[in-house]
Amino acid sequence: DTEVTQTPKHLVMGMTNKKSLKCEQHMGHRAMYWYKQKAKKPPELMFVYSYEKLSINESVPSRFSPECPNSSLLNLHLHALQPEDSALYLCASSQVVGTIAYEQYFGPGTRLTVT
Amino acid sequence: AQSVTQLDSHVSVSEGTPVLLRCNYSSSYSPSLFWYVQHPNKGLQLLLKYTSAATLVKGINGFEAEFKKSETSFHLTKPSAHMSDAAEYFCVVSELDRDDKIIFGKGTRLHILP
Repeated sequence: DTEVTQTPKHLVMGMTNKKSLKCEQHMGHRAMYWYKQKAKKPPELMFVYSYEKLSINESVPSRFSPECPNSSLLNLHLHALQPEDSALYLCASSQVVGTIAYEQYFGPGTRLTVT
Repeated sequence: AQSVTQLDSHVSVSEGTPVLLRCNYSSSYSPSLFWYVQHPNKGLQLLLKYTSAATLVKGINGFEAEFKKSETSFHLTKPSAHMSDAAEYFCVVSELDRDDKIIFGKGTRLHILP
């Protein structure tokens, strides 16, 4: 199974809502990533988890809160978002052998709209 | 510090003709290089990767890329374009040092003309 799944596919939320994005993989990968992608732009790395520990946080605002409850699951908790946070949120996973130089497998993304 | 430059934001080719998508990188050490493809409203799919083995790398769907250290390039090619190749292509560099980073190029939109 080389699939990364993400739920929901689409999410519309108000600025006062709290919601969560979910990501799951069963490839035995021990690195998982969250990216944000605006239209016609490359993905921007937000967070990296390695062996269920947060290893990279690219200065993301605290209204985004990641969580890695186990080696197969990755969540992104959202609270008090702004309209400019509307984007495609991509999850990815990869092997870890001391670096993050291995290829990543991406999920299809969650299209988030903040109203 | 790493960087990656995709030299063309848009490339148009006719169906059945060769494709060339250009990527230059800068790296102070030994980079790993990747090409990903993204179809509209989809996630990214790995096309191919270079990780210090053979310099000519073959990927999926007939794509190839050649790592040229002297030119710091990793251009993506395909002998004959198909309509289904129309998509966004990203060149990515990742480096083995203490500041592990994944750097995406800005992307190249490939248009296939009938």
